Amino acid sequence: QITLKESGPTLVKPTQTLTLTCTFSGFSLSTSGVGVGWIRQPPGKALEWLALIYWDDDKRYSPSLKSRLTITKDTSKNQVVLTMTNMDPVDTATYYCAHTLALPGSYYFDYWGQGTLVTVSS
Amino acid sequence: QSVLTQPPSVSGAPGQRVTISCTGSSSNIGAGYDVHWYQQLPGTAPKLLIYGNSNRPSGVPDRFSGSKSGTSASLAITGLQAEDEADYYCQSYDSSLSGPPLWVFGGGTKLTVL
Repeated sequence: QITLKESGPTLVKPTQTLTLTCTFSGFSLSTSGVGVGWIRQPPGKALEWLALIYWDDDKRYSPSLKSRLTITKDTSKNQVVLTMTNMDPVDTATYYCAHTLALPGSYYFDYWGQGTLVTVSS
Repeated sequence: QSVLTQPPSVSGAPGQRVTISCTGSSSNIGAGYDVHWYQQLPGTAPKLLIYGNSNRPSGVPDRFSGSKSGTSASLAITGLQAEDEADYYCQSYDSSLSGPPLWVFGGGTKLTVL
């Protein structure tokens, strides 16, 4: 079955760079059509899509955060890494990674990780 | 401010029917992109509830149904149960900016079972 799990620091200081890793199983990012995305959720607030990478290394970014985000994949390790530069307290949120498929009409996330809470504070 | 607009809260008594709306625009729902719904129980990750406007993944009770018309979509829950108390989010695809369409979420709706 498909599982995803996020890992990374729970606390980062303002201006630092955040690096999060999504380790998954049950699928391969070398399979045509497969993608992994990142979504975050500030405490008590709504979901916000951040970035996504497809099997063919096609990368998509949220326009509002594009300058701060980088998404990469390591197919051999079954991992996707998200980096976010210049962290600010407003970036405090639970960060989720999720699986998707690049099929017409299938632009949804069918499997989600448990999420990891990242707090930005000095 | 979310691209897709949902009511902040809805409520209903056990056994009743409630609906949650999701309003978009001509660059997302109105452009023909599908709407998907997620259920987020307290303290847990979102779970796919409805995909492709009206399809339920395996294991989702048929009490949950979705529909789409024009620039809006709706999630209906019949036979409301206490376990349905959660936050619900709609999601679609948006092509308002140059470049490929991107994923957008609604602001979420908190369902309270009275």
